[in-house]
Amino acid sequence: KNEVEQSPQNLTAQEGEFITINCSYSVGISALHWLQQHPGGGIVSLFMLSSGKKKHGRLIATINIQEKHSSLHITASHPRDSAVYICAVSLSIIQGAQKLVFGQGTRLTINP
Amino acid sequence: GAGVSQSPRYKVAKRGQDVALRCDPISGHVSLFWYQQALGQGPEFLTYFQNEAQLDKSGLPSDRFFAERPEGSVSTLKIQRTQQEDSAVYLCASSAFLAGGTPSNEQFFGPGTRLTVL
Repeated sequence: KNEVEQSPQNLTAQEGEFITINCSYSVGISALHWLQQHPGGGIVSLFMLSSGKKKHGRLIATINIQEKHSSLHITASHPRDSAVYICAVSLSIIQGAQKLVFGQGTRLTINP
Repeated sequence: GAGVSQSPRYKVAKRGQDVALRCDPISGHVSLFWYQQALGQGPEFLTYFQNEAQLDKSGLPSDRFFAERPEGSVSTLKIQRTQQEDSAVYLCASSAFLAGGTPSNEQFFGPGTRLTVL
C-alpha cells in the first residue's frame, strides 16, 4: 500500500463544475502539499498546510490530521485548470530535512 | 537565479550510454533534492544534499546512479550504463533554511529532464 493515496486518478468535468480531489496518507507528517503539474513536467506548489483550511482564489485545500485526509477543491472550474494535481507529504529524513512522498496524481480535464 | 533550472530538458540515450543531468538550484538554497518520475506516476525521492554533503541517498535505485554537489550549489545526477527502465523525468528541487536554522518544508521544483533510453 502506498503511503499516499489519491482519488480519483482521472477526472473529467464540464466548465463551471465544482471539483474535489481526495488524498489519504498513512504516516505521521509535518506538512501536506498540493502541487500542480502541467504537460512538460514543471511542478508548481499550490498549498502547503499542516492543519485546517487554506484558500487561494478558486482553490481551497483542507486537511484533517486525525483522519489523515486532505481534499483539494476547485470552484467554478475552467479549462485552464486542466493539469495533474499531486498530493505530497513531508517526511523527516535527516538533520531536520523533509523529503516529499507523492501520491500518483489526479489527471483533471475541464471541457469547455 | 530566478528559479531552479535543469539541463538538458530532453535527453535521448542509447542503452548502455552514460548520461549526466544538471540542476542549478535557487541561489542560496541549502537543500537540494532529486526525484524520479516514471510515466503516469508521482515522483519518487532519489537523494538529498545539504550544501555539498549528500545526507540521504536511500532512493537511488542502483549503484549505476550517482549524484554530486561539490561546491554546494550546482548538482549533477549521473546514470551509468543506462537501461530502458531508467526512462523517466528527473526532477530537481531546492529549498532554503529558515531563520532559526531549520530546513524549510517548501520545495521549489525545476522543469525536469525527460530521459528516454532506447
